[in-house]
Amino acid sequence: GAVVSQHPSWVICKSGTSVKIECRSLDFQATTMFWYRQFPKQSLMLMATSNEGSKATYEQGVEKDKFLINHASLTLSTLTVTSAHPEDSSFYICSARAGGGPWNEQFFGPGTRLTVL
Amino acid sequence: AQRVTQPEKLLSVFKGAPVELKCNYSYSGSPELFWYVQYSRQRLQLLLRHISRESIKGFTADLNKGETSFHLKKPFAQEEDSAMYYCALPALNRDDKIIFGKGTRLHILP
Repeated sequence: GAVVSQHPSWVICKSGTSVKIECRSLDFQATTMFWYRQFPKQSLMLMATSNEGSKATYEQGVEKDKFLINHASLTLSTLTVTSAHPEDSSFYICSARAGGGPWNEQFFGPGTRLTVL
Repeated sequence: AQRVTQPEKLLSVFKGAPVELKCNYSYSGSPELFWYVQYSRQRLQLLLRHISRESIKGFTADLNKGETSFHLKKPFAQEEDSAMYYCALPALNRDDKIIFGKGTRLHILP
């Protein structure tokens, strides 16, 4: 159980276009979903936290107009990279958490590799 | 501020030898610490957390508050242990946010 999927697994796009990445919790309802970015040989950096039905909370330094997050249901969150540029090329990982409480395990998706030409 | 430090980017260990992946932290209060693992071409997954005090795949980690460390140990390395390991802790006053260390790549030599 507790599987999180991402689609697509990799995408190549031209500079200036927008790319949407989907994150789904397959067998549980995720009250909270998280979006991370991982540069080569570096750690995961949290970009934003999204709760179903409310606006995402962005981390300091992350442009909310650049990285649009929508959490339309308890099983789906999307990240749209708008007007992508080569510096946006990265590995984007989502995770999902079921329920609240002091701390609940986050389950991670397999990641999406974005390459902007 | 909370911080997790993993001083080794790469650790190479012979099969059958003991493994110790170092993790030091800074945190105000009593932290809950975690180790995550990412095997080649697989997703990140929770390996263990200190509060559960369990041993997963032969790995253990003890929280040492005096040394502010949470080193991951295994007495006898196996080839399938080769992976990227991340030490992590929750952000202060925000238990849903995880702060990851930079990770250590463990390479088990045959």
